[in-house]
Amino acid sequence: GENVEQHPSTLSVQEGDSAVIKCTYSDSASNYFPWYKQELGKRPQLIIDIRSNVGEKKDQRIAVTLNKTAKHFSLHITETQPEDSAVYFCAASKETSYDKVIFGPGTSLSVIP
Amino acid sequence: DTGVSQDPRHKITKRGQNVTFRCDPISEHNRLYWYRQTLGQGPEFLTYFQNEAQLEKSRLLSDRFSAERPKGSFSTLEIQRTEQGDSAMYLCASRAGTRNTGELFFGEGSRLTVL
Repeated sequence: GENVEQHPSTLSVQEGDSAVIKCTYSDSASNYFPWYKQELGKRPQLIIDIRSNVGEKKDQRIAVTLNKTAKHFSLHITETQPEDSAVYFCAASKETSYDKVIFGPGTSLSVIP
Repeated sequence: DTGVSQDPRHKITKRGQNVTFRCDPISEHNRLYWYRQTLGQGPEFLTYFQNEAQLEKSRLLSDRFSAERPKGSFSTLEIQRTEQGDSAMYLCASRAGTRNTGELFFGEGSRLTVL
């Protein structure tokens, strides 16, 4: 089955700097890669996603890149702000069939003012 | 509130007791997922439904765990003979079943503490 790994497990950056979180997946049939943000004590919420027919997607300060050949994808946050502090989870799924969503172990991001 | 709701939010039980959690998904969503999350970890897949059909159950899941979605609406997750290792947050999520609508909408979770 699918296995998703994520690095680093913790990340601390100065406000205004960029943050990069990297994930790898094992199942080459996976074709949908969402990213979720979970603030302390709250539910995970989708912040951005990418499908395998594109290599990059951007939404304001957040971007995601996908390398299908290497089976890895990354989240990039630019101009970080204190409210970006949270745990970020990457995930993988096969949308072409009814399939489960498998999450990585998470990255705890701290943005220092 | 038309989001995913879970009940109870907190449950404290003694080892060996049975517990049941309920999830009410967003009404038009036909996919429903159960995950377990422990401190510092990502959501761990338990099982999921397409309408009332249970499509997959994690191989890591003990036979003490059972889930149902009898009418394709709400779902229940039952844990029999609870063990201390079952202590976790149990998250329910729902998702529309159409292509290109991949977002999972999570509930607030049901936190289980087994003494």
